[in-house]
Amino acid sequence: DAGVTQSPTHLIKTRGQQVTLRCSPISGHKSVSWYQQVLGQGPQFIFQYYEKEERGRGNFPDRFSARQFPNYSSELNVNALLLGDSALYLCASSLDWRSEKLFFGSGTQLSVL
Amino acid sequence: KQEVTQIPAALSVPEGENLVLNCSFTDSAIYNLQWFRQDPGKGLTSLLLIQSSQREQTSGRLNASLDKSSGRSTLYIAASQPGDSATYLCAYSGGYNKLIFGAGTRLAVHP
Repeated sequence: DAGVTQSPTHLIKTRGQQVTLRCSPISGHKSVSWYQQVLGQGPQFIFQYYEKEERGRGNFPDRFSARQFPNYSSELNVNALLLGDSALYLCASSLDWRSEKLFFGSGTQLSVL
Repeated sequence: KQEVTQIPAALSVPEGENLVLNCSFTDSAIYNLQWFRQDPGKGLTSLLLIQSSQREQTSGRLNASLDKSSGRSTLYIAASQPGDSATYLCAYSGGYNKLIFGAGTRLAVHP
């Protein structure tokens, strides 16, 4: 079975641009969470979605948004990119929104120049 | 403020040593605590999950303990191998899927 897949694997943008990151969960998993990991730090929670509804939001500005589709895949959008948005963006899937076991993808490395 | 501190930040050891990685957290109302492994530029792999009602979990050469009252968890790695080289992250959950992570311990095991 395929694991959590994220695309693209690497991305380079300039300040002020917008970016969309994509995530496909493990088959049968209905919950998707997004995390941001800045170099040298642990991941920080951004969003959790379950059944197309937002179940949780971390301390990130409104420039960050996400959505989940009927097939449970998800997109993370970041507008008006800042240099500080450069990070590894990780997607994790789980069976449902209360599941303790998270399965992480390999991430999208975003560089903002 | 929810915080997780991991000590040491980095560790370099010869193959075969037994290791202790430490994690402390400030939130007493944790739901569970997990240890993850992360290889450079990669995602996270869950190693051990300890429920708040449990004291420890074991998987192969790995053993993790949890002392909720003191806000500490310890990951023991027995007979370390070069393949164990990675960053080890601990994270706790206050419920559901929102994990609070530490910055990790970077481990290098040399032959």
